Amino acid sequence: EIVLTQSPGTLSLSPGERATLSCRASQSVSSNSLTWYQQKPGQAPRLLIYGASTRATGIPDRFSGSGSGTDFTLTISRLEPEDFAVYYCQQYGSSPLFGPGTKVDIK
Amino acid sequence: QVQLQESGPGLVKPSETLSLTCTVSGGSISSYYWSWIRQPPGKGLEWIGYIYYSGSTNYNPSLKSRVTIPVDTSKNQFSLKLSSVTAADTAVYYCARFWFGELSGINWFDPWGQGTLVTVSS
Repeated sequence: EIVLTQSPGTLSLSPGERATLSCRASQSVSSNSLTWYQQKPGQAPRLLIYGASTRATGIPDRFSGSGSGTDFTLTISRLEPEDFAVYYCQQYGSSPLFGPGTKVDIK
Repeated sequence: QVQLQESGPGLVKPSETLSLTCTVSGGSISSYYWSWIRQPPGKGLEWIGYIYYSGSTNYNPSLKSRVTIPVDTSKNQFSLKLSSVTAADTAVYYCARFWFGELSGINWFDPWGQGTLVTVSS
């Protein structure tokens, strides 16, 4: 059974800074199976990245995804005020699985 | 564009069955997978299960014994039934469309409903 771990649990940064979020799988997974979401308080999650690196429709290019095997990264190149949120990775093997999330908050 | 809306009781008594419905508008329920995901207050996301429009299902092993997800294509709706609920089932319940490419493995949940809070309490 695959386990997803996200780090750090909380990332405190200022607007304009670069955010690097990690998602680690307990065993190697296909890059295609890795997806990222953003969730703001009181809202449903929003699809950001699928296939580890492809931005969903309407997602700004400051968001990028990378990685392979067990280690995947979501990078926000320059944080905008609306980017402070919780970010989840999700993987699909035999069934969907979410990571525990990384909260990006304002320093 | 496709929109999803959850509906159902916001309060369920312990040991009873939680029942929610998701209505799909702006598109047909056919040819996709449809899923339920929940989020306990202040916690992360937990996938509950999904159903293909034709009726085949896949459930989270940890909930499988208590979950049923039926689909009604004539009403463009699918539902969630979770039996024998306890306080641990208190959560915001989301419905979402699940897209999965069988050849590529690419997958995502999108769009999502706004979510509905279900509290389990006597």
